[in-house]
Amino acid sequence: EDQVTQSPEALRLQEGESSSLNCSYTVSGLRGLFWYRQDPGKGPEFLFTLYSAGEEKEKERLKATLTKKESFLHITAPKPEDSATYLCAVQAGNYGGSQGNLIFGKGTKLSVKP
Amino acid sequence: ETGVTQSPTHLIKTRGQQVTLRCSSQSGHNTVSWYQQALGQGPQFIFQYYREEENGRGNFPPRFSGLQFPNYSSELNVNALELDDSALYLCASSPDRGRPDTQYFGPGTRLTVL
Repeated sequence: EDQVTQSPEALRLQEGESSSLNCSYTVSGLRGLFWYRQDPGKGPEFLFTLYSAGEEKEKERLKATLTKKESFLHITAPKPEDSATYLCAVQAGNYGGSQGNLIFGKGTKLSVKP
Repeated sequence: ETGVTQSPTHLIKTRGQQVTLRCSSQSGHNTVSWYQQALGQGPQFIFQYYREEENGRGNFPPRFSGLQFPNYSSELNVNALELDDSALYLCASSPDRGRPDTQYFGPGTRLTVL
């Protein structure tokens, strides 16, 4: 069964304290792995797509990496405005009869204190 | 260019009732996907519409149905509401049904079933 597991469920950091979020997955025919940011009461906001093991993407204080079994979202010197829930999702080869659908993890709720 | 909008913002229904949620897709987007996000969970794929036809469905019963109109806006209908249907319902529009990284999510409709 296709599955995405994120850890930890919640993470509290001090401003400037770097850390990593984990996303492990089991999926048949991975087409892509996606990271989203979701603020309370809002829809997910796209951050990164990773397609193959070894690939890395960066955006400001965020860096996403991918292996054959998991992905990491590294947060360097976070600021309070980075506080949000970070969602990981995979696009499987044939899920629900459509190639455009995503299987999400439960997310990691990140809180960054000043 | 307007973003993805959803209506209503919040909705309260009682068990057994029917509900219709609406999504206005971003200009130029021909694909709409609907997701259910229960509290503390990641979004779960319900179905996708491409050019007015259903183009894939997740593991949801037939009482969840949808429509896409010629202007690519969409509706999600849920019959015989159950308590477990309480969730944030998200729609996402895209110009490419096979590219989740081109999806833009709306802010969601919060449905409460009493």
